[in-house]
Amino acid sequence: QKEVEQDPGPLSVPEGAIVSLNCTYSNSAFQYFMWYRQYSRKGPELLMYTYSSGNKEDGRFTAQVDKSSKYISLFIRDSQPSDSATYLCAMRAPGRRALTFGSGTRLQVQP
Amino acid sequence: EAGVTQFPSHSVIEKGQTVTLRCDPISGHDNLYWYRRVMGKEIKFLLHFVKESKQDESGMPNNRFLAERTGGTYSTLKVQPAELEDSGVYFCASSQGGGVIDEQYFGPGTRLTVT
Repeated sequence: QKEVEQDPGPLSVPEGAIVSLNCTYSNSAFQYFMWYRQYSRKGPELLMYTYSSGNKEDGRFTAQVDKSSKYISLFIRDSQPSDSATYLCAMRAPGRRALTFGSGTRLQVQP
Repeated sequence: EAGVTQFPSHSVIEKGQTVTLRCDPISGHDNLYWYRRVMGKEIKFLLHFVKESKQDESGMPNNRFLAERTGGTYSTLKVQPAELEDSGVYFCASSQGGGVIDEQYFGPGTRLTVT
């Protein structure tokens, strides 16, 4: 069983829609939770991070962590065609730098 | 400021050959990481350097893989001999080593194809 599960999609939405991306995990030691965005032929780029549980908002993006359910989410409001990319969740435990990634969800925002 | 650079961008080799991948981290970043993504799978951690020392090599799949970081600057990852299952995209990342999460900055990756 994978430590981090993520629906690969693809997910296609119209411009302006609210997008919800999710990951579940099994390792209760994970304390740092990240969302990366990856455009085609590029490396992953950090979008948001959250430490432990709770919500964090940055512009059109909101990250949520529910440690009791081992479930994290990324919401994108007013989605734009430029948001079309693969979104990867990643997490790590304290004391380790190695990131454990989900498989990524491909998002396509249609103009 | 230049980002993480990787060379080559794409390499095609035959099974049994040797390939060396290079990563130049962001200047001043002491931490350097190697990850790889094989077809259809998630990105997986290979190893972590702090300066020239291997801090964590728990993700290295076997002894056909050798990573070095002489002088604590650029790093190389050698695969010898390459096998078909080594095909994938190899990412390098670097980080400063401070802050809440110590953000890892990724390079564009080297796409390795073993035929």
